[in-house]
Amino acid sequence: SAVISQKPSRDICQRGTSLTIQCQVDSQVTMMFWYRQQPGQSLTLIATANQGSEATYESGFVIDKFPISRPNLTFSTLTVSNMSPEDSSIYLCSVGQTGVYQETQYFGPGTRLLVL
Amino acid sequence: GNSVTQMEGPVTLSEEAFLTINCTYTATGYPSLFWYVQYPGEGLQLLLKATKADDKGSNKGFEATYRKETTSFHLEKGSVQVSDSAVYFCALEDDKIIFGKGTRLHILP
Repeated sequence: SAVISQKPSRDICQRGTSLTIQCQVDSQVTMMFWYRQQPGQSLTLIATANQGSEATYESGFVIDKFPISRPNLTFSTLTVSNMSPEDSSIYLCSVGQTGVYQETQYFGPGTRLLVL
Repeated sequence: GNSVTQMEGPVTLSEEAFLTINCTYTATGYPSLFWYVQYPGEGLQLLLKATKADDKGSNKGFEATYRKETTSFHLEKGSVQVSDSAVYFCALEDDKIIFGKGTRLHILP
């Protein structure tokens, strides 16, 4: 099994600032994913982060707003840039494989972000 | 596009009650279907899954059957416990995973 930790667990930020969320996995994984859960909404995939290549963003998400780093096989960061209140969400890191069914998709505990 | 719709919560039941959480989906292909659970303060965990029509996924007393004719994957448990209190997410996987909004379940002792 994979154990995932995220930092910070929660934060309150001012409009116009940026926040970097860290995701650490206790084992080497090929693919890491970043999701967002806005209040009352379902989880939405932001991007897929593969080590050694550019992240792949889903429709509606762009690199300038959500830059992602993946420096090695156990770590990734997601930055929420130039924040606005609409960015208030829970951000989740996940590891696993999409497109190929498997039983072991793991999720971190999430980072709860409030933008004032 | 693909989507998942699940019943809104919160759902409040007494211990040992029968649980049903409805989930229906829209998909162009033949996706795999999942139920995930998020206990307080923890990350999402896979609860059960089904990969094709008429498959029944089961785990920890929970069951769900992949019904292609009704495009449904309802979650059921015959006798819930206080420890089942959590948020339950229905999801489908085609080329990516799409989640429902989640249903918060409260079990009263």
